[in-house]
Amino acid sequence: NAGVTQTPKFQVLKTGQSMTLQCAQDMNHNSMYWYRQDPGMGLRLIYYSASEGTTDKGEVPNGYNVSRLNKREFSLRLESAAPSQTSVYFCASSAPGGSYEQYFGPGTRLTVT
Amino acid sequence: AQSVTQPDIHITVSEGASLELRCNYSYGATPYLFWYVQSPGQGLQLLLKYFSGDTLVQGIKGFEAEFKRSQSSFNLRKPSVHWSDAAEYFCAVVDGGATNKLIFGTGTLLAVQP
Repeated sequence: NAGVTQTPKFQVLKTGQSMTLQCAQDMNHNSMYWYRQDPGMGLRLIYYSASEGTTDKGEVPNGYNVSRLNKREFSLRLESAAPSQTSVYFCASSAPGGSYEQYFGPGTRLTVT
Repeated sequence: AQSVTQPDIHITVSEGASLELRCNYSYGATPYLFWYVQSPGQGLQLLLKYFSGDTLVQGIKGFEAEFKRSQSSFNLRKPSVHWSDAAEYFCAVVDGGATNKLIFGTGTLLAVQP
């Protein structure tokens, strides 16, 4: 049982390049989330998916797109990376039924030059 | 809108000393509250949570937190800190509505002196 996995762990992009961050969970959770973490700002929600087939914007969605490929996988895409997207990205999932507890992946450290 | 405030950005304590990390929330109804810990280079791990009932909740690694509605607080405590407790700690509240979104505080970075 791996929990929440993320790939890659590290990535360096040049401004304007695109990439997709992958996230998968094996806990049969319905809801999945993408956060970014910046110093002094805590975690801010980018997008979330309450269930398979649905996605919604969070607090800071600009410059990102997401795909809920199936119940297990939730990917985050940067179409044209900007230096302001340099951050650590975390994926999380939560179970149905009102437990609200979120389980986090190990993160992807992205640098955009 | 719901919000969480962690007023201490950085705290240093000596090993063996007691610890209290502050968290204040803004929420109209009874909040669902969490404390998470993030060790360097790692993801977030749940320490404890409060939904209802006993206002003093126990968590993992010897941590506890007390919910005080009158003060809108949910402070994290540990009676004796270990060097391995050095990490960043985040308080979070469930955002109201049909989803399970969490609102996080900005975090408190804990350093432990030998």
